Amino acid sequence: DVKVTQSSRYLVKRTGEKVFLECVQDMDHENMFWYRQDPGLGLRLIYFSYDVKMKEKGDIPEGYSVSREKKERFSLILESASTNQTSMYLCASSPTSGLYNEQFFGPGTRLTVL
Amino acid sequence: AQSVSQHNHHVILSEAASLELGCNYSYGGTVNLFWYVQYPGQHLQLLLKYFSGDPLVKGIKGFEAEFIKSKFSFNLRKPSVQWSDTAEYFCAVMNDYKLSFGAGTTVTVRA
Repeated sequence: DVKVTQSSRYLVKRTGEKVFLECVQDMDHENMFWYRQDPGLGLRLIYFSYDVKMKEKGDIPEGYSVSREKKERFSLILESASTNQTSMYLCASSPTSGLYNEQFFGPGTRLTVL
Repeated sequence: AQSVSQHNHHVILSEAASLELGCNYSYGGTVNLFWYVQYPGQHLQLLLKYFSGDPLVKGIKGFEAEFIKSKFSFNLRKPSVQWSDTAEYFCAVMNDYKLSFGAGTTVTVRA
């Protein structure tokens, strides 16, 4: 079974703090993704990566950055957290073959920014 | 970005009733289509997917979906729901390497 794990299920941070969300997958997938999930908006793509050290902006990259130093790990960074970044963050991975494949999701991290 | 519309925000029905959830997307080219489900407290998981071929696809737990290209639609159906189908359902469309999701439909099945 594909396993995608995220470092925390719940996280509470203060405005202005730097926040790291970690994601690890154990299936040697090339592609990894970060989404945020908000009620009534579904999932929105923040960033994705199709290889180590490669990254591409998604639909809502503002206020976020990412890091992929190893194939299995994809980190989402909030340089200076703000209250409008309170959300559920989901990480996903998928195998290659042109990216037209099922994405496997982690359990999510519910981030609250006070 | 691809636009994906799910017609219903919240659907409430009784066990054994039939379920149909609508999904429309905006892009007219080649797309790959998915339905994902999120049961309470669980990971998002794939119900079914369409890449090509037979436009009627069958997924897990008795779900199926029909791709109608002329209507830009990919509606999800289940003939007889169970209480355990209570969940949030997301339609998603992939093109240009990006997966775009609809807003989701919460389905509540009453015993």
